[in-house]
Amino acid sequence: DAGITQSPRHKVTETGTPVTLRCHQTENHRYMYWYRQDPGHGLRLIHYSYGVKDTDKGEVSDGYSVSRSKTEDFLLTLESATSSQTSVYFCAISESGGRQETQYFGPGTRLLVL
Amino acid sequence: GNSVTQMEGPVTLSEEAFLTINCTYTATGYPSLFWYVQYPGEGLQLLLKATKADDKGSNKGFEATYRKETTSFHLEKGSVQVSDSAVYFCALSEDTGRRALTFGSGTRLQVQP
Repeated sequence: DAGITQSPRHKVTETGTPVTLRCHQTENHRYMYWYRQDPGHGLRLIHYSYGVKDTDKGEVSDGYSVSRSKTEDFLLTLESATSSQTSVYFCAISESGGRQETQYFGPGTRLLVL
Repeated sequence: GNSVTQMEGPVTLSEEAFLTINCTYTATGYPSLFWYVQYPGEGLQLLLKATKADDKGSNKGFEATYRKETTSFHLEKGSVQVSDSAVYFCALSEDTGRRALTFGSGTRLQVQP
């Protein structure tokens, strides 16, 4: 299994509070991704990173920001959580972002915003 | 833009039945195609993939063939087991740019003994 951990694994928070989710990898892969999983939508890309300090937006980036100060860590921040951000969040990594490459997924973080 | 369409679930089968889960895609360029599986409470795992037209991916008795002429990548298994019960996602990888995955909505498979 790819060495990907996510923390926390579960979180309950209140509307309007900031929340940070962490993804940590031990594979030294260049590309890292944050997806959210919602019923009927599969997984949708929030943000991705193609190197330290290099990040870009995905399809559902509104309300989220990211940072990558080290190769191994990719942080996802909800600046002011809303109920629509209740979801399961998955981090993924790939070695160099090639279209043929497999993306490896972490175990997920289940977030409930009350 | 890119999109992936999967058959609606849940799909309920008896053990040893034949499985087909349909997947069609829309994409520019030459994407790679993937099937991922998610067991309850877990993350996604790669099941199989195909990177060019007419390639067949296979793993654990599952197969899928990349059909460019019909823009399809249907998942098949000849004899399902209870342990195959999971959610299956079809996905494509963009040819250029961010190389992120575009997923279908997922199909839940329930296999009964």
